[in-house]
Amino acid sequence: GENVEQHPSTLSVQEGDSAVIKCTYSDSASNYFPWYKQELGKGPQLIIDIRSNVGEKKDQRIAVTLNKTAKHFSLHITETQPEDSAVYFCAARQTGTASKLTFGTGTRLQVTL
Amino acid sequence: DGGITQSPKYLFRKEGQNVTLSCEQNLNHDAMYWYRQDPGQGLRLIYYSQIVNDFQKGDIAEGYSVSREKKESFPLTVTSAQKNPTAFYLCASSRDTLSSYEQYFGPGTRLTVT
Repeated sequence: GENVEQHPSTLSVQEGDSAVIKCTYSDSASNYFPWYKQELGKGPQLIIDIRSNVGEKKDQRIAVTLNKTAKHFSLHITETQPEDSAVYFCAARQTGTASKLTFGTGTRLQVTL
Repeated sequence: DGGITQSPKYLFRKEGQNVTLSCEQNLNHDAMYWYRQDPGQGLRLIYYSQIVNDFQKGDIAEGYSVSREKKESFPLTVTSAQKNPTAFYLCASSRDTLSSYEQYFGPGTRLTVT
């Protein structure tokens, strides 16, 4: 089955700086890679996703890049704000497995003033 | 107001008792999922259903059961056979078509078994 590794487990940045979270996956057949943001005590919220036929996608301060050859994808947050503080999860979907997602173990992002 | 609702938000049970967690969606999604989240860990798939009256085991199905009698509803029963039932349980849904895989999550139910 698919295996997703996520790094770092914790990340502290100053307000206004950029944050980068990286994930690697094992199954080259995986074709969809979403990122979720989870605030304390709440359900994960889909913030951006990318499909295997695209190398990069951007939505305002958030961007995701995908390197299929190396089997890794990254989340980039620019001009971080205190409200960006949360736990972020990456995930990968294997082709032909309904929409089953395999999740990374999460990154706790802390944006300090 | 479309979305996924889970109830209750907090649930307390004694060891040895079965408990059922509710999940309802009004997004007209075909597929629904149950995940378990433990502190410091990612989400692990318990069961999923792509269509009414059909469901499949996920990675950690032992000690759990589900039903899918209606498109909108996918209740999860945590049985007494589940060795470590205390966790945060999340329900999700998706269209699950060839072009649309996005999964959307409910607010979760925190289950504590003592």
